[in-house]
Amino acid sequence: ETGVTQTPRHLVMGMTNKKSLKCEQHLGHNAMYWYKQSAKKPLELMFVYSLEERVENNSVPSRFSPECPNSSHLFLHLHTLQPEDSALYLCASSQEVTATPYEQYFGPGTRLTVT
Amino acid sequence: DAKTTQPPSMDCAEGRAANLPCNHSTISGNEYVYWYRQIHSQGPQYIIHGLKNNETNEMASLIITEDRKSSTLILPHATLRDTAVYYCIVQGAQKLVFGQGTRLTINP
Repeated sequence: ETGVTQTPRHLVMGMTNKKSLKCEQHLGHNAMYWYKQSAKKPLELMFVYSLEERVENNSVPSRFSPECPNSSHLFLHLHTLQPEDSALYLCASSQEVTATPYEQYFGPGTRLTVT
Repeated sequence: DAKTTQPPSMDCAEGRAANLPCNHSTISGNEYVYWYRQIHSQGPQYIIHGLKNNETNEMASLIITEDRKSSTLILPHATLRDTAVYYCIVQGAQKLVFGQGTRLTINP
């Protein structure tokens, strides 16, 4: 248990569906992150939030829409996805975005399959 | 950000020490060395980090050479549960950049 939870753990959705991934951290951290891990590829950073404000968006398609209502919760809203979006989606948190050193604590991930 | 080089895979016998090398010859003075691991289909797990001095915690030891151009992560008594992909990351402030890592297999 890292103090970061993600739901659901597995999700199968069609290309026309709309779904949301949820992440919650119980560590009192101020920064939260979304990563994508496709098969046999390194983790790719998607979004970074610091105190509920988005500070980084790594050229992610608009069919992925993040939301951070408070510093403990992070959502990733999905719509009109493509089969190549099938991947493990990981949420992480850290104390701050810019402090060094800092470590990130990851959730268990959501395994997404787009059919 | 400095780039790291790790062997793609390594094997180690259960109960022995696992020594995972990492080269980071372009590391700059304010960059830390971090190690994470990822057990199959789980999120990465932070292991340890260091700047100049060797570090030890309950999971592992980190040995950084004096010139800081390379480091070694040591798992002193490897168990089957240590089988994972191990990532060496060199980073200052801001985001972590994960490479391909070393796939460590602990054999019974």
